[in-house]
Amino acid sequence: KAGVTQTPRYLIKTRGQQVTLSCSPISGHRSVSWYQQTPGQGLQFLFEYFSETQRNKGNFPGRFSGRQFSNSRSEMNVSTLELGDSALYLCASSQRTDPTEAFFGQGTRLTVV
Amino acid sequence: DQQVKQNSPSLSVQEGRISILNCDYTNSMFDYFLWYKKYPAEGPTFLISISSIKDKNEDGRFTVFLNKSAKHLSLHIVPSQPGDSAVYFCAASDTPNAGNMLTFGGGTRLMVKP
Repeated sequence: KAGVTQTPRYLIKTRGQQVTLSCSPISGHRSVSWYQQTPGQGLQFLFEYFSETQRNKGNFPGRFSGRQFSNSRSEMNVSTLELGDSALYLCASSQRTDPTEAFFGQGTRLTVV
Repeated sequence: DQQVKQNSPSLSVQEGRISILNCDYTNSMFDYFLWYKKYPAEGPTFLISISSIKDKNEDGRFTVFLNKSAKHLSLHIVPSQPGDSAVYFCAASDTPNAGNMLTFGGGTRLMVKP
């Protein structure tokens, strides 16, 4: 079956702009989680959505937001971009019954200039 | 405060030998532990997991050991192959309270030399 799909793969934005990233989970998966990976901080949890509801949120400023649609696809938005937002953004999907096995997409590489 | 730590940023082993990657955690509420492998420009790939009710889980060449009293887990790869060269992340979860929120270690880069 198809894996987790993230679009776009690469993105270059200017400071102050906003950006929206998309994640399509594996068919049948209802949970989507987002992570930010940077060289200095490693992989950090952003938020998790399940059945269109945000279940958990990591320690990120309010500029980072997300949502999930009825078909389980998810988007995350970053407003007022800062240079430090440059990172690989990963989403992961999982089945509700097996929360410890999250399957990751390839990520979106965001560069803020 | 890093709740999951991988103290070795890199590890180099010879093909055919054992690779041992280590991970320590501080949060005693963690119930599930996972290992992921990540190649450059790709997302992490799930390798193996272990529940806190077990102390060992094996899947082919990969075995994860959990020492709850020491808050330590390790991933053994035997025999190591050049294709195993990647960054390995350990992750922990305190489900069911935290859903799919995973806390990751900083990763260990494994290099397997032919």
